[in-house]
Order: sequence, then structure tokens, then C-alpha cells
Amino acid sequence: EVHLLESGGGLVQPGGSLRLSCTTSGFIFSTNAMSWVRQAPGKGLEWVSAIGGGDGRTLYADSVKGRFTISRDVSKSTLYLQMNSLRAEDTAVYYCAKDGAGGTWDYWGQGTLVTVSS
Amino acid sequence: DIQMTQSPSTLSASVGDRVTITCRASQSISNWLAWFQQKPGKAPKLLIYKASSLESGVPSRFSGSGSGTEFTLTISSLQPDDFATYYCQHYNSDSNTFGQGTKVEIK
Repeated sequence: EVHLLESGGGLVQPGGSLRLSCTTSGFIFSTNAMSWVRQAPGKGLEWVSAIGGGDGRTLYADSVKGRFTISRDVSKSTLYLQMNSLRAEDTAVYYCAKDGAGGTWDYWGQGTLVTVSS
Repeated sequence: DIQMTQSPSTLSASVGDRVTITCRASQSISNWLAWFQQKPGKAPKLLIYKASSLESGVPSRFSGSGSGTEFTLTISSLQPDDFATYYCQHYNSDSNTFGQGTKVEIK
């Protein structure tokens, strides 16, 4: 059974940094593309970043480019999101999600809340 | 960038109703469209991918159609468990864009 579990969220001051983790099991992590998707309180969904399964190619939304870095540790089946220079508008629940056969996300974690506030 | 526009933003319906949600793309996206259902405090759930393919385990009362720029999600007979917010999503190898969501409420 597929499981995704995010951790690392919390309260951080503007300009600060945070690293999110997503531990996974139940599928072949090394060959599966993964993404981070966020949702600000009371708002809609926003894709943040993706990493390719085979080549590890990375993609970012314009809103986080240059501030966030997606990475993975295949040996630990874990996905990461390093978030630097955080802003109030980065406040959101952050979900990790895995790509399915249809090309979009078939499994999601439960989310971790990041609050950027002084 | 491709923009996705859903309508309506809110929909009031009764159990048993046939419900249709529309999603329009600002330019042709072929059939690279998915639909997700989200309930409060929960992660989104994939319903439909490639515009009309039903995800495994999703009830057959959900269906998707369309290609190019106009797409629809139809619930043939609304059930109590279906009251939720629905999002369309355009996806490809380079980007992902969501619609703003449609909240389906109890009438």
C-alpha cells in the first residue's frame, strides 16, 4: 500500500528557512516523479515544484523559483523541499504527491502546515 | 502561461441531482486535464485523468469529457459523500495549473 507522510512544517519568521520532508513507501520511489503542492488557508491548490522519476529533472512555479529547492534521497525513499527567504504568502498546507500512470497525482500525503509570520 | 477557469464557483444541489462543472483552458491543452475532489481538512483525491479516464476505485457516477479548451465533470446522481470542492488541473511535463475550484453545497 502506498503511503506518503510529510513533516517539517511549523512557524517561521519572514526571511527564514524550513525544510519539509516526505517519507514514502509502497512504490518504487526511484522511478516515480514527485511533486509538492500547497494550499493557502481558505484558498485553492497551487503546484509548487516537481522532480522527475528517472532523470531527477526539477521544475518550479514562478512564485518559488530561486527560493525553494526540491530534492530526493532515493536510498531513504524521501522527498524534500528546502524553503528559503520565506514570505507571508508562502503560508499554506504543503502536500507531497506522487505521479500515477495517468500522468498526474494519484496519491497524496496528509499535508504539513507552514506558517510564515513574525 | 495557460489559465484554467472553472464555473460555477459554487453550486447548490440536492441528493440525486445531476451535476455538471465546467473547466475552460486559455489555450488548447489536448486532453491533459484531471479532476480532483477535496473535502475540508483532507488532501485532494484524483477522480479523472486525461479528461475522461476514471481513476481506479472512483464510483462510475463520476465522468469527464472534453478536449482542447472546454471540459466537463459530471456527477450523474449526487450522493451525500459528494458534497466537496472540485478542482480541474491542466498538467504536462513542464507545468501544472489548477482551476479556482467549485464548491458543491447541499441545497
